Amino acid sequence: GAGVSQSPSNKVTEKGKDVELRCDPISGHTALYWYRQRLGQGLEFLIYFQGNSAPDKSGLPSDRFSAERTGESVSTLTIQRTQQEDSAVYLCASSHRDRLQETQYFGPGTRLLVL
Amino acid sequence: SQQGEEDPQALSIQEGENATMNCSYKTSINNLQWYRQNSGRGLVHLILIRSNEREKHSGRLRVTLDTSKKSSSLLITASRAADTASYFCATDNGKLTFGQGTILTVHP
Repeated sequence: GAGVSQSPSNKVTEKGKDVELRCDPISGHTALYWYRQRLGQGLEFLIYFQGNSAPDKSGLPSDRFSAERTGESVSTLTIQRTQQEDSAVYLCASSHRDRLQETQYFGPGTRLLVL
Repeated sequence: SQQGEEDPQALSIQEGENATMNCSYKTSINNLQWYRQNSGRGLVHLILIRSNEREKHSGRLRVTLDTSKKSSSLLITASRAADTASYFCATDNGKLTFGQGTILTVHP
Protein backbone atom coordinates (compact mmCIF):
# COMPACT_ATOMS: atom_id res chain seq x y z
CA GLY A 1 0.00 0.00 0.00
CA ALA A 2 2.93 2.33 -0.58
CA GLY A 3 2.36 5.80 -1.90
CA VAL A 4 4.30 7.61 -4.60
CA SER A 5 8.02 7.31 -4.04
CA GLN A 6 10.84 9.34 -5.52
CA SER A 7 14.58 8.99 -5.56
CA PRO A 8 16.98 10.38 -4.73
CA SER A 9 15.50 12.51 -1.97
CA ASN A 10 18.36 14.98 -2.36
CA LYS A 11 20.79 15.59 -5.18
CA VAL A 12 23.68 18.02 -5.34
CA THR A 13 25.36 18.37 -8.68
CA GLU A 14 27.73 20.65 -10.50
CA LYS A 15 26.61 22.99 -13.22
CA GLY A 16 26.79 21.29 -16.59
CA LYS A 17 26.28 17.75 -15.33
CA ASP A 18 23.25 15.62 -16.22
CA VAL A 19 20.87 14.35 -13.53
CA GLU A 20 18.20 11.68 -13.55
CA LEU A 21 15.28 11.70 -11.13
CA ARG A 22 13.06 8.70 -10.57
CA CYS A 23 9.40 8.36 -9.68
CA ASP A 24 7.51 5.20 -8.69
CA PRO A 25 3.78 5.90 -8.90
CA ILE A 26 1.06 4.14 -6.97
CA SER A 27 0.38 0.76 -8.54
CA GLY A 28 -2.54 0.91 -10.94
CA HIS A 29 -2.40 4.66 -11.45
CA THR A 30 -2.45 5.39 -15.14
CA ALA A 31 -1.65 9.09 -14.91
CA LEU A 32 1.71 10.47 -13.81
CA TYR A 33 2.80 14.08 -13.50
CA TRP A 34 6.05 15.90 -12.90
CA TYR A 35 6.11 19.32 -11.25
CA ARG A 36 8.83 21.70 -10.22
CA GLN A 37 8.65 23.89 -7.13
CA ARG A 38 11.15 26.68 -6.76
CA LEU A 39 11.78 28.07 -3.32
CA GLY A 40 8.80 30.10 -2.12
CA GLN A 41 6.79 29.53 -5.29
CA GLY A 42 3.87 27.41 -6.38
CA LEU A 43 4.17 24.27 -8.42
CA GLU A 44 5.00 24.47 -12.10
CA PHE A 45 3.61 21.75 -14.29
CA LEU A 46 6.30 20.02 -16.36
CA ILE A 47 4.93 16.91 -18.04
CA TYR A 48 1.98 14.53 -17.88
CA PHE A 49 1.73 10.85 -18.88
CA GLN A 50 -1.62 9.13 -19.30
CA GLY A 51 -1.62 5.46 -20.21
CA ASN A 52 -0.27 4.86 -23.69
CA SER A 53 -1.18 8.31 -24.98
CA ALA A 54 1.48 10.72 -26.12
CA PRO A 55 2.70 12.69 -23.09
CA ASP A 56 1.79 16.33 -22.59
CA LYS A 57 5.18 18.00 -22.56
CA SER A 58 3.87 21.54 -22.68
CA GLY A 59 5.41 22.49 -19.33
CA LEU A 60 8.99 21.47 -20.00
CA PRO A 61 11.01 24.67 -19.73
CA SER A 62 13.68 23.79 -22.27
CA ASP A 63 15.01 20.98 -24.43
CA ARG A 64 17.42 20.12 -21.63
CA PHE A 65 14.46 18.55 -19.84
CA SER A 66 13.03 15.19 -20.88
CA ALA A 67 11.02 12.46 -19.25
CA GLU A 68 10.24 8.85 -19.96
CA ARG A 69 7.73 6.42 -18.61
CA THR A 70 7.64 2.69 -19.17
CA GLY A 71 4.03 1.59 -19.50
CA GLU A 72 2.19 2.53 -16.35
CA SER A 73 5.15 2.21 -14.03
CA VAL A 74 8.33 4.04 -13.26
CA SER A 75 9.13 7.42 -14.75
CA THR A 76 12.45 9.20 -15.00
CA LEU A 77 12.96 12.93 -15.44
CA THR A 78 16.31 13.83 -16.98
CA ILE A 79 17.88 17.24 -16.89
CA GLN A 80 20.88 17.64 -19.15
CA ARG A 81 23.62 20.24 -18.71
CA THR A 82 22.12 21.45 -15.45
CA GLN A 83 22.05 25.15 -14.67
CA GLN A 84 21.80 26.87 -11.32
CA GLU A 85 18.24 27.97 -12.06
CA ASP A 86 17.29 24.28 -12.22
CA SER A 87 17.70 24.13 -8.44
CA ALA A 88 14.28 23.28 -7.06
CA VAL A 89 12.19 20.51 -5.61
CA TYR A 90 10.91 18.16 -8.30
CA LEU A 91 7.63 16.53 -7.38
CA CYS A 92 5.98 13.56 -8.98
CA ALA A 93 2.28 12.75 -8.63
CA SER A 94 0.03 9.97 -9.86
CA SER A 95 -3.70 9.54 -10.20
CA HIS A 96 -6.04 6.71 -11.06
CA ARG A 97 -7.61 7.92 -14.27
CA ASP A 98 -7.94 11.04 -16.36
CA ARG A 99 -6.50 14.06 -14.65
CA LEU A 100 -9.78 15.97 -14.67
CA GLN A 101 -11.79 15.54 -11.48
CA GLU A 102 -9.19 13.17 -10.11
CA THR A 103 -7.13 13.47 -6.97
CA GLN A 104 -3.39 13.48 -7.47
CA TYR A 105 -1.17 11.78 -4.92
CA PHE A 106 2.22 13.36 -4.51
CA GLY A 107 5.59 11.91 -3.68
CA PRO A 108 7.99 13.55 -1.22
CA GLY A 109 10.00 15.18 -3.96
CA THR A 110 13.63 15.32 -4.98
CA ARG A 111 15.55 18.38 -3.82
CA LEU A 112 18.00 19.33 -6.54
CA LEU A 113 20.82 21.78 -5.89
CA VAL A 114 23.00 22.82 -8.79
CA LEU A 115 26.23 24.44 -7.69
CA SER B 1 0.00 37.25 -12.51
CA GLN B 2 -0.56 33.56 -12.15
CA GLN B 3 -3.71 31.51 -11.91
CA GLY B 4 -4.53 30.59 -8.32
CA GLU B 5 -3.34 33.48 -6.22
CA GLU B 6 -3.70 33.15 -2.49
CA ASP B 7 -3.96 35.53 0.36
CA PRO B 8 -2.77 36.12 2.90
CA GLN B 9 0.77 35.00 2.15
CA ALA B 10 1.24 34.25 5.83
CA LEU B 11 -1.19 33.77 8.69
CA SER B 12 -0.36 33.38 12.36
CA ILE B 13 -3.04 32.39 14.87
CA GLN B 14 -3.52 30.78 18.27
CA GLU B 15 -4.68 27.22 18.75
CA GLY B 16 -8.45 27.02 18.78
CA GLU B 17 -8.97 29.97 16.46
CA ASN B 18 -10.29 29.63 12.92
CA ALA B 19 -8.05 30.17 9.92
CA THR B 20 -9.36 31.47 6.60
CA MET B 21 -7.33 31.44 3.41
CA ASN B 22 -8.50 32.80 0.08
CA CYS B 23 -7.71 31.93 -3.49
CA SER B 24 -8.49 33.89 -6.64
CA TYR B 25 -8.11 32.77 -10.22
CA LYS B 26 -8.59 34.15 -13.69
CA THR B 27 -9.82 31.53 -16.14
CA SER B 28 -12.73 29.11 -16.08
CA ILE B 29 -12.08 25.90 -14.19
CA ASN B 30 -13.30 22.33 -13.96
CA ASN B 31 -12.53 22.12 -10.28
CA LEU B 32 -10.44 23.72 -7.59
CA GLN B 33 -8.34 21.78 -5.11
CA TRP B 34 -6.66 22.61 -1.84
CA TYR B 35 -3.39 21.01 -0.77
CA ARG B 36 -1.28 21.11 2.35
CA GLN B 37 2.47 20.87 2.48
CA ASN B 38 4.32 20.32 5.70
CA SER B 39 7.92 21.47 5.77
CA GLY B 40 10.12 18.97 4.00
CA ARG B 41 7.22 16.79 2.91
CA GLY B 42 5.21 16.23 -0.26
CA LEU B 43 1.89 17.79 -1.00
CA VAL B 44 -1.19 16.28 0.58
CA HIS B 45 -4.55 16.65 -1.10
CA LEU B 46 -7.19 18.09 1.24
CA ILE B 47 -10.35 18.68 -0.71
CA LEU B 48 -11.65 19.08 -4.26
CA ILE B 49 -14.63 21.26 -5.13
CA ARG B 50 -16.19 21.06 -8.57
CA SER B 51 -17.20 24.09 -10.56
CA ASN B 52 -20.90 23.34 -10.02
CA GLU B 53 -20.51 23.12 -6.25
CA ARG B 54 -20.62 26.08 -3.88
CA GLU B 55 -19.53 24.60 -0.58
CA LYS B 56 -17.92 21.45 0.67
CA HIS B 57 -16.98 20.16 4.10
CA SER B 58 -14.43 17.64 5.26
CA GLY B 59 -13.90 17.33 9.00
CA ARG B 60 -12.69 20.71 10.25
CA LEU B 61 -12.28 21.98 6.70
CA ARG B 62 -14.84 24.05 4.85
CA VAL B 63 -14.28 25.16 1.28
CA THR B 64 -16.41 27.60 -0.66
CA LEU B 65 -16.31 28.38 -4.36
CA ASP B 66 -17.77 31.46 -6.06
CA THR B 67 -17.32 31.04 -9.79
CA SER B 68 -18.85 34.46 -10.50
CA LYS B 69 -16.08 36.09 -8.48
CA LYS B 70 -13.53 33.44 -9.44
CA SER B 71 -12.59 32.90 -5.84
CA SER B 72 -12.46 30.17 -3.22
CA SER B 73 -11.85 30.11 0.49
CA LEU B 74 -10.54 27.44 2.83
CA LEU B 75 -11.66 27.63 6.44
CA ILE B 76 -9.98 25.53 9.11
CA THR B 77 -12.00 25.56 12.30
CA ALA B 78 -10.67 25.02 15.82
CA SER B 79 -7.09 25.04 14.57
CA ARG B 80 -4.36 22.91 16.11
CA ALA B 81 -0.61 23.28 16.22
CA ALA B 82 -0.41 20.31 13.85
CA ASP B 83 -2.23 22.38 11.21
CA THR B 84 0.93 24.48 10.82
CA ALA B 85 1.87 24.09 7.15
CA SER B 86 1.70 25.77 3.77
CA TYR B 87 -1.67 25.60 2.05
CA PHE B 88 -2.00 25.76 -1.72
CA CYS B 89 -4.99 26.11 -3.95
CA ALA B 90 -4.81 24.55 -7.38
CA THR B 91 -7.12 25.22 -10.29
CA ASP B 92 -7.86 22.49 -12.81
CA ASN B 93 -8.83 23.63 -16.32
CA GLY B 94 -7.24 20.70 -18.04
CA LYS B 95 -3.96 21.42 -16.36
CA LEU B 96 -3.37 21.80 -12.66
CA THR B 97 -1.97 25.20 -11.71
CA PHE B 98 -0.92 26.03 -8.18
CA GLY B 99 -0.73 29.31 -6.36
CA GLN B 100 2.19 30.37 -4.23
CA GLY B 101 0.50 29.26 -1.05
CA THR B 102 -0.35 30.58 2.38
CA ILE B 103 1.97 29.79 5.26
CA LEU B 104 -0.16 29.05 8.31
CA THR B 105 1.40 29.03 11.77
CA VAL B 106 -0.73 27.86 14.67
CA HIS B 107 0.76 28.68 18.05
CA PRO B 108 0.02 26.29 20.94
